[in-house]
Amino acid sequence: AQTVTQSQPEMSVQEAETVTLSCTYDTSESDYYLFWYKQPPSRQMILVIRQEAYKQQNATENRFSVNFQKAAKSFSLKISDSQLGDAAMYFCAYRSGGTSGSRLTFGEGTQLTVNP
Amino acid sequence: DAGVTQSPTHLIKTRGQQVTLRCSPKSGHDTVSWYQQALGQGPQFIFQYYEEEERQRGNFPDRFSGHQFPNYSSELNVNALLLGDSALYLCASSLRRLAGVTDTQYFGPGTRLTVL
Repeated sequence: AQTVTQSQPEMSVQEAETVTLSCTYDTSESDYYLFWYKQPPSRQMILVIRQEAYKQQNATENRFSVNFQKAAKSFSLKISDSQLGDAAMYFCAYRSGGTSGSRLTFGEGTQLTVNP
Repeated sequence: DAGVTQSPTHLIKTRGQQVTLRCSPKSGHDTVSWYQQALGQGPQFIFQYYEEEERQRGNFPDRFSGHQFPNYSSELNVNALLLGDSALYLCASSLRRLAGVTDTQYFGPGTRLTVL
């Protein structure tokens, strides 16, 4: 079974600074997808960014980018120019790319605080 | 374009009772997945429905059951409620592109269930 580990229960960053959230995963599959979701106090789970394992290029979405290290099974999220609205719980998630299923396996989350 | 909607927003039940939660997928989506998120934890996969059938199931007892309707909306039923069933229940919808593989999942706002 796949597992996802987020080793940082809490992180904080100053507004306009850069912060990196860590995620590692364990799988024997070669075809899979990785995601970062954001969950603000409203509890709505919002997709931040997605990475296909077969792509070597790291995904980028505006101020959000990932560092995908497939051999190390590492998938970190970098938030640049942090804004107050970035404060939320961030979850890393794994999904198999094969026909074995498409369930998401989540990590335990990292609570991000943005200080003004 | 309506996103994923869930009802009710909050629900309070007592032990032993039964509950039904409802989900309407994002327009154009045909697959619904349900997740349970206990306080302070990442979401856990319950099951996934496609073409009105349960396609995958997580490690949840038979007290948890579901249904999908021809319009792709879905219900989650929980019988014989336990205190430990208190959680946020999240519904996610996606589009099934290939056999067994679905596209990115988008989440609804969740239903907060409290069991007393």
